[in-house]
Amino acid sequence: GESVGLHLPTLSVQEGDNSIINCAYSNSASDYFIWYKQESGKGPQFIIDIRSNMDKRQGKRVTVLLNKTVKHLSLQIAATQPGDSAVYFCAEKNFGNEKLTFGTGTRLTIIP
Amino acid sequence: DGGITQSPKYLFRKEGQNVTLSCEQNLNHDAMYWYRQDPGQGLRLIYYSQIVNDFQKGDIAEGYSVSREKKESFPLTVTSAQKNPTAFYLCASSYPRVAEAFFGQGTRLTVV
Repeated sequence: GESVGLHLPTLSVQEGDNSIINCAYSNSASDYFIWYKQESGKGPQFIIDIRSNMDKRQGKRVTVLLNKTVKHLSLQIAATQPGDSAVYFCAEKNFGNEKLTFGTGTRLTIIP
Repeated sequence: DGGITQSPKYLFRKEGQNVTLSCEQNLNHDAMYWYRQDPGQGLRLIYYSQIVNDFQKGDIAEGYSVSREKKESFPLTVTSAQKNPTAFYLCASSYPRVAEAFFGQGTRLTVV
């Protein structure tokens, strides 16, 4: 259970620009892929999910894309705002056993 | 108010002592989870429970134990066998076959 010492990748985006956060997942059997946002010192908050049989889903200012061929998930945030600064995690859920696992996060910083 | 509550927010223990972290939810969720987060890193799954009286090991269960005697409660014990227990611990819960999980505010455990 030792940490391997990896630190989060970072992304800096100008306020008002669009941002794209990427994630590689490992388990093709997952039923849902999910994005969470974590602000400093707090628990993660759900943003959006996508079922494994879909390739795109849109929410308010966010879009999630799923490419099962290369096991890649992305989160697009339109017209970024200062409040979007946070760490973003992708996650996978298996409905058979309810296991919910998280991928490597990305720290998003919005430049005023 | 419905929610998921972790207590305490900060916890200090001496090396070699067992310590139990509390997690309570009144959301009527069946599934509950425990994660460990080290500084600047992602969430690693310790244990999860699909339903009361049942739980499974996650990816880093060594040195930890849990119980699920009541639907609303999922306490985590960090035992003296855990070599590096100092970390931020997060509890979560969700309905079955639903992607969204709700997180508590976390417990920051420091072992000296």
